[in-house]
Amino acid sequence: GNSVTQMEGPVTLSEEAFLTINCTYTATGYPSLFWYVQYPGEGLQLLLKATKADDKGSNKGFEATYRKETTSFHLEKGSVQVSDSAVYFCALSDRGGSEKLVFGKGMKLTVNP
Amino acid sequence: DAGVTQSPTHLIKTRGQQVTLRCSPKSGHDTVSWYQQALGQGPQFIFQYYEEEERQRGNFPDRFSGHQFPNYSSELNVNALLLGDSALYLCASSHLLDEQFFGPGTRLTVL
Repeated sequence: GNSVTQMEGPVTLSEEAFLTINCTYTATGYPSLFWYVQYPGEGLQLLLKATKADDKGSNKGFEATYRKETTSFHLEKGSVQVSDSAVYFCALSDRGGSEKLVFGKGMKLTVNP
Repeated sequence: DAGVTQSPTHLIKTRGQQVTLRCSPKSGHDTVSWYQQALGQGPQFIFQYYEEEERQRGNFPDRFSGHQFPNYSSELNVNALLLGDSALYLCASSHLLDEQFFGPGTRLTVL
């Protein structure tokens, strides 16, 4: 079945540091890929998505590129802020975003001033 | 525009009891999915409802059941609660092939 493996934390960075969170997947067919973020005490929010190979999703300074050849969807941000402290989940679904989502275990990021 | 809402926020039950969690989807959404998120883990898909029928189901026992009403709201029922059912239960809604929007969740504690 489909699965997602992501870098696990926790990770602590200083403000303005570069962030990379690795994510690789196993799936049949051509899944859609997502990054969700969960702030303390809240539900999940969609951060960005990509629906086909070589697509780049971007939002709030975060970027991720759908790499079919390496089955990866790594999340990057050039300069993190304290407000980026949260748990980040990589996920996939078989079709669009309305089909069931398969999540990685999540990575907790703390950004210190 | 109200997003996805869930009730209650928190719930404490004892082993063997039954629980019902409720979800109202985002306006314009007709599909509701439920996920279980254990502490420190990613959410696990329980099932999805569309047009009042269960369309997909994850690897959860029959103790977990659901319902969708004509107004698209949904309930998740769990019977014969186990300690291991303690988790954050997330509801997500969507429309057609668009992405899912998540509610804040219900924190269930089983003692």
